[in-house]
Amino acid sequence: EAQVTQNPRYLITVTGKKLTVTCSQNMNHEYMSWYRQDPGLGLRQIYYSMNVEVTDKGDVPEGYKVSRKEKRNFPLILESPSPNQTSLYFCASTTDSSTDTQYFGPGTRLTVL
Amino acid sequence: GENVEQHPSTLSVQEGDSAVIKCTYSDSASNYFPWYKQELGKRPQLIIDIRSNVGEKKDQRIAVTLNKTAKHFSLHITETQPEDSAVYFCAASKGEGYSTLTFGKGTMLLVSP
Repeated sequence: EAQVTQNPRYLITVTGKKLTVTCSQNMNHEYMSWYRQDPGLGLRQIYYSMNVEVTDKGDVPEGYKVSRKEKRNFPLILESPSPNQTSLYFCASTTDSSTDTQYFGPGTRLTVL
Repeated sequence: GENVEQHPSTLSVQEGDSAVIKCTYSDSASNYFPWYKQELGKRPQLIIDIRSNVGEKKDQRIAVTLNKTAKHFSLHITETQPEDSAVYFCAASKGEGYSTLTFGKGTMLLVSP
């Protein structure tokens, strides 16, 4: 089954404790992206990757890191989480650009205390 | 960068009525405009999209119109049903070769039986 998976689905952590949210897709998509969703603010792009070893900042990259060492995986890293990073995070993948259907993962709800 | 404004933020209609959601964008270079539907607790899913070389596109009860001169596009849902209740997001992109997709803040549509 073609899908995008994220882990964990729910996470409660404390300020400053490094964490990684994993994202994996099995559709051989070149383009992957991370979004955060906050009430009243919609979906905002954090980082994106056009291919292996190619990543770039989206609209709200501060406090986040990403890596793309393999085509199927695109982890989101929070080196020192803060309460303002409490949010619902979605990973998405698409064939090769922003003009193709974005396939979203199930979401990760992160709470930083 | 691109800025996408979406209105209204909430919309309540009776079953069978039509619903219209409007978006404006700021970057005249944008030429791809998708609409995503997000049901409660679920991930966003593409429902329809339009490219700048087309003024209107229909898919059963859903249609999207685009006015490039005025830089606005709209989602039209006819004969609404309770299962249409969800949050709808519009988005804009400059097209192939560009990887940023900018979303509006979303419209919560409630269809009452």
